[in-house]
Amino acid sequence: QVQLVESGGGVVQPGRSLRLSCAASGFTFSNYAMHWVRQAPGKGLEWVAIISYDENKKYYADSVKGRFTIARDNSKNTLYLQMNSLRTEDTAMYYCAREDRRGWFFFDFWGQGTRVTVSS
Amino acid sequence: EIVLTQSPGTLSLSPGERATLSCRASESVSSSYLAWHQQKPGQAPRLLIYGASSRASGIPDRFSGSGSARDYTLTISRLEPEDSAVYYCQSWRTSYTFGQGTKLEIK
Repeated sequence: QVQLVESGGGVVQPGRSLRLSCAASGFTFSNYAMHWVRQAPGKGLEWVAIISYDENKKYYADSVKGRFTIARDNSKNTLYLQMNSLRTEDTAMYYCAREDRRGWFFFDFWGQGTRVTVSS
Repeated sequence: EIVLTQSPGTLSLSPGERATLSCRASESVSSSYLAWHQQKPGQAPRLLIYGASSRASGIPDRFSGSGSARDYTLTISRLEPEDSAVYYCQSWRTSYTFGQGTKLEIK
């Protein structure tokens, strides 16, 4: 069965960096575009970034552009999110999600999330 | 970028009743690009409906979606206590976007 397991979250000071990972299993990882979606405490879902199946295309939400970098290693079935220059407003649960292959732009599987707290 | 507005913000119903959740887009979107996700307390979201009306694998037929253009609806018939959750609509038009969510409480 499809499994997405995030890791790497924690407490970090403003301005510092953190790298999140998402280990995928149960499907052919290299065939799917992958996303990061976040949820601030008590708030709704916010899309963060997407990477194409072959990592040739990457797109970001305006709120993280220039600070966050999405990457993947298809040989390790792992998705990454490098977060630099962190701000208090980046505090959230970060989910990795798989995009369905129909080309209909929706997320068909979600991980359980990893929590990031940015605080001094 | 489109804005998705969900209503009502909170819905409180009894077991066995029918819930009707609305999602209105700021401009017309392809029905293929409209999905619904369910998030139970303390859990990750889960895909319910894609393409406006197709149920995801393992989703009971009590859940149904409909709509077109700017207006979409998620209907949950014969509510059960386990349906307590926040429901998000989601779409794409130059970027991925979510509605703010509707919280469904089962009395």
